[in-house]
Amino acid sequence: KAGVTQTPRYLIKTRGQQVTLSCSPISGHRSVSWYQQTPGQGLQFLFEYFSETQRNKGNFPGRFSGRQFSNSRSEMNVSTLELGDSALYLCASSGTSGSRETQYFGPGTRLLVL
Amino acid sequence: TQLLEQSPQFLSIQEGENLTVYCNSSSVFSSLQWYRQEPGEGPVLLVTVVTGGEVKKLKRLTFQFGDARKDSSLHITAAQPGDTGLYLCAGAGGTSYGKLTFGQGTILTVHP
Repeated sequence: KAGVTQTPRYLIKTRGQQVTLSCSPISGHRSVSWYQQTPGQGLQFLFEYFSETQRNKGNFPGRFSGRQFSNSRSEMNVSTLELGDSALYLCASSGTSGSRETQYFGPGTRLLVL
Repeated sequence: TQLLEQSPQFLSIQEGENLTVYCNSSSVFSSLQWYRQEPGEGPVLLVTVVTGGEVKKLKRLTFQFGDARKDSSLHITAAQPGDTGLYLCAGAGGTSYGKLTFGQGTILTVHP
């Protein structure tokens, strides 16, 4: 089974721009979660989608948004980029077999905001 | 708010030594996951523990979930340079859909 894939792997943007990141979950997984990882804050939860509905949201400003499509692929968008948004953005998927809470991560998208 | 305290933050040891990483919380988790992450890559799942008191072994790695499901430990026997990396514990809780609470991580360096 193919793992979680994320595109692009690397992005450089300037302040004020917006960015869209994409995540394809493991086949059959319907839940996709997004995390931001920085050296200072570690991994922080952004939001989770299941069957195209946002079920849970972390403590991030409204500039961070996401959506999920009917094929379970997910995108996250960050508008009006700030320097502090530079981070590794990770998505993870989970399914219904075994432990439903076990999450499998993609390789991440490294975003640099200049 | 659920928090996970992971210790130590840094660990530098020689090949062949044993080590233990701890993950503690005042909250109860329904399951706990351990990951290993290489620089610039996503975390790779090592194990999920679900039952209080559960012990799982993965070659030289032994994982334990506390009886009260509030803490966990990772023990590595005879560490090798290939074990070098960032180790993360992450707790999942009940109805908090799709959200893992992560510890701060332990950066392990094993010197040959």
